[in-house]
Amino acid sequence: DVKVTQSSRYLVKRTGEKVFLECVQDMDHENMFWYRQDPGLGLRLIYFSYDVKMKEKGDIPEGYSVSREKKERFSLILESASTNQTSMYLCASNRCRGPGLACEQYFGPGTRLTVT
Amino acid sequence: LAKTTQPISMDSYEGQEVNITCSHNNIATNDYITWYQQFPSQGPRFIIQGYKTKVTNEVASLFIPADRKSSTLSLPRVSLSDTAVYYCLVGDGYSGGGADGLTFGKGTHLIIQP
Repeated sequence: DVKVTQSSRYLVKRTGEKVFLECVQDMDHENMFWYRQDPGLGLRLIYFSYDVKMKEKGDIPEGYSVSREKKERFSLILESASTNQTSMYLCASNRCRGPGLACEQYFGPGTRLTVT
Repeated sequence: LAKTTQPISMDSYEGQEVNITCSHNNIATNDYITWYQQFPSQGPRFIIQGYKTKVTNEVASLFIPADRKSSTLSLPRVSLSDTAVYYCLVGDGYSGGGADGLTFGKGTHLIIQP
């Protein structure tokens, strides 16, 4: 079974702190993604990566950065956490190899981040 | 931007068949239609995927008309444990050229009552 793990299920940070959310997948997937989920807004794509050291902005990248130094690991970074970044953060991966190939996304369990 | 439209919520009862329809008027030739299920405090989970006509697996059926501008997820004989949010996505899932097929909307909150 594909496994996507996230470093923490719950995290509490203070405003202004630098926050790292880690995601690891064990299926050698090329593509990895970070979403945030808020009540009434559904899942929104923050950043994604289709290769090591490659990254693309999603729909809401402001206030976030990412790092992909190894294929299996994709990190989301909040440079200076703010209260409006309190949310559920979900990591996902898939193995799409080209256009026209629909791919199933595999999600991690999520990290509920609270910024106070 | 979301490419799909689905009802915000639906109610049904145990043992009933539930059909959730998704509209995707601008679907492209290469696009597939994929449905996910999400329980509280969990990540979404893949249910079913199709391109045209009908697809069936052990969990659900997916009906896609010839014009592919909509699709219907059918859950046979639902139980209380089917209470969840269901997301419809359209795209080819290829991230090399953008986030096509990777945008989840707000989903449909399905509530099953005894």
